[in-house]
Amino acid sequence: EAGVAQSPRYKIIEKRQSVAFWCNPISGHATLYWYQQILGQGPKLLIQFQNNGVVDDSQLPKDRFSAERLKGVDSTLKIQPAKLEDSAVYLCASSQALNTEAFFGQGTRLTVV
Amino acid sequence: QQQVKQSPQSLIVQKGGISIINCAYENTAFDYFPWYQQFPGKGPALLIAIRPDVSEKKEGRFTISFNKSAKQFSLHIMDSQPGDSATYFCAASMKQGAQKLVFGQGTRLTINP
Repeated sequence: EAGVAQSPRYKIIEKRQSVAFWCNPISGHATLYWYQQILGQGPKLLIQFQNNGVVDDSQLPKDRFSAERLKGVDSTLKIQPAKLEDSAVYLCASSQALNTEAFFGQGTRLTVV
Repeated sequence: QQQVKQSPQSLIVQKGGISIINCAYENTAFDYFPWYQQFPGKGPALLIAIRPDVSEKKEGRFTISFNKSAKQFSLHIMDSQPGDSATYFCAASMKQGAQKLVFGQGTRLTINP
């Protein structure tokens, strides 16, 4: 079974630029999550989808972050404009349903300079 | 109320010893408590999980002990091996609502040969 795929693996941008991350979940997984992991901290949930609907986006900085999951499969997370404090690893995860095991991708390491 | 507090931040154990990592939570609505293992450059991977209807769960060298009245749970790694060197995260989620995972701050475990 293929795992959660994310791209790119690494990205370096200047502050105020925009960036987008892509995630392809495990086939058949209805729930998709985007987490932000700042160095030395645990992952923090940014947004959670159930199929193509948003279940929770309470911790998503909506003035600069946006995410979509068209057709309930792949998802993209966008930051515009980026700030220095957005430097982190962005992890995508998926699960078969709510409250079941979440499988994580390798993440995208973003550095904002 | 949504926090999960994890300790210690870092831990060094000799090969063959027992590694113990502790977590505490406040929200009594949490009903799923997983532990994740993360190696450098990789996403977190589920190690073992417990629900509050049992006080202990064992899988190989890994054991979760759960104390519902104290709102604490811990991970024990028996016969610790150098390959166990990684960062460990406890987490919790609720049966109701978005059921999102809330992570602890992480423990960097080093097993000396």
